[in-house]
Amino acid sequence: KNEVEQSPQNLTAQEGEFITINCSYSVGISALHWLQQHPGGGIVSLFMLSSGKKKHGRLIATINIQEKHSSLHITASHPRDSAVYICAVKVTYGNKLVFGAGTILRVKS
Amino acid sequence: SQTIHQWPATLVQPVGSPLSLECTVEGTSNPNLYWYRQAAGRGLQLLFYSVGIGQISSEVPQNLSASRPQDRQFILSSKKLLLSDSGFYLCAWSFDSYNEQFFGPGTRLTVL
Repeated sequence: KNEVEQSPQNLTAQEGEFITINCSYSVGISALHWLQQHPGGGIVSLFMLSSGKKKHGRLIATINIQEKHSSLHITASHPRDSAVYICAVKVTYGNKLVFGAGTILRVKS
Repeated sequence: SQTIHQWPATLVQPVGSPLSLECTVEGTSNPNLYWYRQAAGRGLQLLFYSVGIGQISSEVPQNLSASRPQDRQFILSSKKLLLSDSGFYLCAWSFDSYNEQFFGPGTRLTVL
């Protein structure tokens, strides 16, 4: 079993839909990251959080430390949101980030 | 503001040839630097990280090596490439171990 599991692996949505991507982890962490990878490969950091909830525009990230679970929500989805969304956890000790396999999101107009 | 550069953007190399990928960061001093690889259909994997000049930590034993000859320069190398070295290589930086990482544009390496 991977230390970081994401679901779903693939997600197709209609423009305007509310989207949720889930991330579960099995190791002790100091922080969790949500990243967005565009088709060309470039990666953008969306959020880094260690508790509670963060919001940026139409994106919301939540984390439940006790349940070792995080969710990324996209409200009013748009085709430009189409990308791979990656969950990564910073393990408690050291510099290491452990990555999930990613969720491929496609938003159709 | 800080920027991170990687080159080349794409590279096609024969098996057994050497490799040198370069990453530089501008606009900050003494950053943490990281090399990641994303193999086809797989998640990102940390290869090396550095907290200072000449300080390299390797996460995964492999055919690759890294060097940090200057404060804001991180180089990924190989003496002899293998087919399994193909993938997307990303450099990243952070202010320290506690802050988020910022990724470069990546280098797509194909070993034939």
